[in-house]
Amino acid sequence: NAGVTQTPKFQVLKTGQSMTLQCAQDMNHEYMSWYRQDPGMGLRLIHYSVGAGITDQGEVPNGYNVSRSTTEDFPLRLLSAAPSQTSVYFCASSFFPDREETQYFGPGTRLLVL
Amino acid sequence: AQSVTQLDSHVSVSEGTPVLLRCNYSSSYSPSLFWYVQHPNKGLQLLLKYTSAATLVKGINGFEAEFKKSETSFHLTKPSAHMSDAAEYFCVVSEEGGATNKLIFGTGTLLAVQP
Repeated sequence: NAGVTQTPKFQVLKTGQSMTLQCAQDMNHEYMSWYRQDPGMGLRLIHYSVGAGITDQGEVPNGYNVSRSTTEDFPLRLLSAAPSQTSVYFCASSFFPDREETQYFGPGTRLLVL
Repeated sequence: AQSVTQLDSHVSVSEGTPVLLRCNYSSSYSPSLFWYVQHPNKGLQLLLKYTSAATLVKGINGFEAEFKKSETSFHLTKPSAHMSDAAEYFCVVSEEGGATNKLIFGTGTLLAVQP
């Protein structure tokens, strides 16, 4: 198993550009989520999905869109990038949307918005 | 609302000495608590988790944590630090209520290990 994979590893954008961060898992996990990590703030939840076709907002959803057309993939879209979206983005997944479940994290995407 | 507080942003120890990383939580219910580790420029790896079974939880790489309800604490310990333990550590609580796996992270503790 490759686990949770994310592409790209690094990206530089100009303000106003759009892009998609890719996330995929090969563990047949129902639950997938996106977090952003900023210095001194830990990780904060952006969006999550409890299964294909079902998504919902987390703590900091503004400026981001998601969709879940398959169990394996959960892309995160930045519609119009802003410098405030400079961050490290992590995708995570778990078997079930249960509070006791272990979440597995991808290696992260480092994004710089100029 | 749930939260976790990591009491130290930086901890420095010498190799071979004990490690103590402190975490306090706030929760109305019996919480699910986790410790994750992040090595430089890497993703997060689960060290251990507490889910209302044994209060002393053993994890990977010799780490363990004790859930103390009376003190609302979940401190992470290791008897003897190794250079490879240098990393950032996150105390995490899983959000209460419903079918959810939303995680609430502490702000992290950066562990330095001196030779």
